[in-house]
Amino acid sequence: ILNVEQSPQSLHVQEGDSTNFTCSFPSSNFYALHWYRWETAKSPEALFVMTLNGDEKKKGRISATLNTKEGYSYLYIKGSQPEDSATYLCASTKGSSNTGKLIFGQGTTLQVKP
Amino acid sequence: GAVVSQHPSRVICKSGTSVKIECRSLDFQATTMFWYRQFPKQSLMLMATSNEGSKATYEQGVEKDKFLINHASLTLSTLTVTSAHPEDSSFYICSAQRPLGPDTQYFGPGTRLTVL
Repeated sequence: ILNVEQSPQSLHVQEGDSTNFTCSFPSSNFYALHWYRWETAKSPEALFVMTLNGDEKKKGRISATLNTKEGYSYLYIKGSQPEDSATYLCASTKGSSNTGKLIFGQGTTLQVKP
Repeated sequence: GAVVSQHPSRVICKSGTSVKIECRSLDFQATTMFWYRQFPKQSLMLMATSNEGSKATYEQGVEKDKFLINHASLTLSTLTVTSAHPEDSSFYICSAQRPLGPDTQYFGPGTRLTVL
């Protein structure tokens, strides 16, 4: 994998459903994987930064896992709420050190229906 | 979380004019900021790294003479799109990282540029 790829591109779920998205990234020269939540007309909001294989992080109903050996990360949302509607971006740090440069996927747009 | 602002949020200009976009980190000093752009249905793409007190470094394929970056202070970076053309119409967004802090990048809300 040469780029960061996210799937699905979009997702529509009912309130209360749990859902998950996938982010695939190059496993060579890996430094960190970032997840952002981006609502329209607002700044992308940082959710997680993960660096170690097997990392699992949680923030309220949202959690993420990281597999650096195979180059993927999952983002889970438990019991989706309408306010979870947003575009979720993942990004891999470019290079094998903290360059600050991010390579983004295209995002997964989630719409939660009441 | 940290706050990064951008101004303007939206700009429409005529072809051939130059447009300046400001990016400010409001609650921390940022020695390094980053500029990205996003074309419709595409990913955010890194354009350049803005370094306080030194020249910006540009990603491959980004024209440095077209996209002038000035990092005049520890809280302000500006991106000037010179002699803008319709193909420069895009969404431009900046980010900043706390020095010696976690790896988290803090983003501004972005600027929508439309060149007529």
